[in-house]
Amino acid sequence: AQTVTQSQPEMSVQEAETVTLSCTYDTSESDYYLFWYKQPPSRQMILVIRQEAYKQQNATENRFSVNFQKAAKSFSLKISDSQLGDAAMYFCAWLRQGGSEKLVFGKGMKLTVNP
Amino acid sequence: NAGVTQTPKFRILKIGQSMTLQCTQDMNHNYMYWYRQDPGMGLKLIYYSVGAGITDKGEVPNGYNVSRSTTEDFPLRLELAAPSQTSVYFCASSYKGRRTEAFFGQGTRLTVV
Repeated sequence: AQTVTQSQPEMSVQEAETVTLSCTYDTSESDYYLFWYKQPPSRQMILVIRQEAYKQQNATENRFSVNFQKAAKSFSLKISDSQLGDAAMYFCAWLRQGGSEKLVFGKGMKLTVNP
Repeated sequence: NAGVTQTPKFRILKIGQSMTLQCTQDMNHNYMYWYRQDPGMGLKLIYYSVGAGITDKGEVPNGYNVSRSTTEDFPLRLELAAPSQTSVYFCASSYKGRRTEAFFGQGTRLTVV
């Protein structure tokens, strides 16, 4: 079974600094997607960034970027110039491409941004 | 743009009662999911559907039932509610294809007392 592991339950960062959230996953599939979702106190799940496994280039969305290491099955999220609004729970998720697609989530990590 | 709409947002049930959590999406997505999120935990898949008339179990299906009679609607039924079902429930949908981002509803906070 596919699993997604976020080993750090909590992290904190100073405003304007950079922080990296780690995620590892276990799968025998070769074609899949990886996602980082943000969940602020409002409870809404918001997609932060997406990475297709077949792409070697790391995805980037403004201040958010990933370090995707397919062989190591690692998918970390880097947040640059952290802002107070980045404070939230962050979830790493895996999705198989094709066939029966089930989105599998990690346990999440709480990010605190200190002013 | 309604996206994924869940009702109700909050509900308190007594042990043994039943209820249906409603979920509807207007994006013509073929995939729909129900997740539960317990405090301090990630999302666990309860049931999912790859299209109208097709449903399948996720990780934690016991105590729940679903149906998918239309593309838009994917209700989750709780029969004989138990305290262990106290959780936040999320419905999500996605479109099978190369850009398979899942869109989530606002969640339903359910308390069983």
